Amino acid sequence: DQQVKQNSPSLSVQEGRISILNCDYTNSMFDYFLWYKKYPAEGPTFLISISSIKDKNEDGRFTVFLNKSAKHLSLHIVPSQPGDSAVYFCAAYWRGSGYALNFGKGTSLLVTP
Amino acid sequence: DTEVTQTPKHLVMGMTNKKSLKCEQHMGHRAMYWYKQKAKKPPELMFVYSYEKLSINESVPSRFSPECPNSSLLNLHLHALQPEDSALYLCASSPDYTGSYNEQFFGPGTRLTVL
Repeated sequence: DQQVKQNSPSLSVQEGRISILNCDYTNSMFDYFLWYKKYPAEGPTFLISISSIKDKNEDGRFTVFLNKSAKHLSLHIVPSQPGDSAVYFCAAYWRGSGYALNFGKGTSLLVTP
Repeated sequence: DTEVTQTPKHLVMGMTNKKSLKCEQHMGHRAMYWYKQKAKKPPELMFVYSYEKLSINESVPSRFSPECPNSSLLNLHLHALQPEDSALYLCASSPDYTGSYNEQFFGPGTRLTVL
């Protein structure tokens, strides 16, 4: 049962524009959310996280928004750069689950020049 | 040093072979993980070690045997694998689990092919 869902398998954006990657979750117990970026043949790289007590967290070009009532989070990349082209995974967990990160299936972002 | 390293990068083995995957981190992290990732799928948790003790085994077949010799090293011993075990094996670490939130930092993975 997929508790974290990324419904868009792919997204194409022009360089300089905003990329918005979406993620939905079903488990209302989740209280910490993370975004990872993955290049082919490499491990996921941690990008940004947000706890459920916040609705926004910003780090440079990356901002994550959390809407708990909708069980939805999004990652905004502004401005998008060709080097941002990768697969982005949304992940979530809650304290009661211990270490188990629940990953979405990923969204492949292509930033075109 | 903010890296998780994994060796080998690629491994091809037969179904009767015995091999080991190695993972190392020098960030002082006390939790270490093994994940398996198949193509176009998210990583799936296999094992978690906390303070060098096995905390979680996600019903992984016994042909996969983890070992944590010390706080910086994590091994995954492989024996009698099946072709369907071919995947990218990822190691990760996180500072600790004390009820606070931790990001997991991943290594580059070992691409395993079982013939």
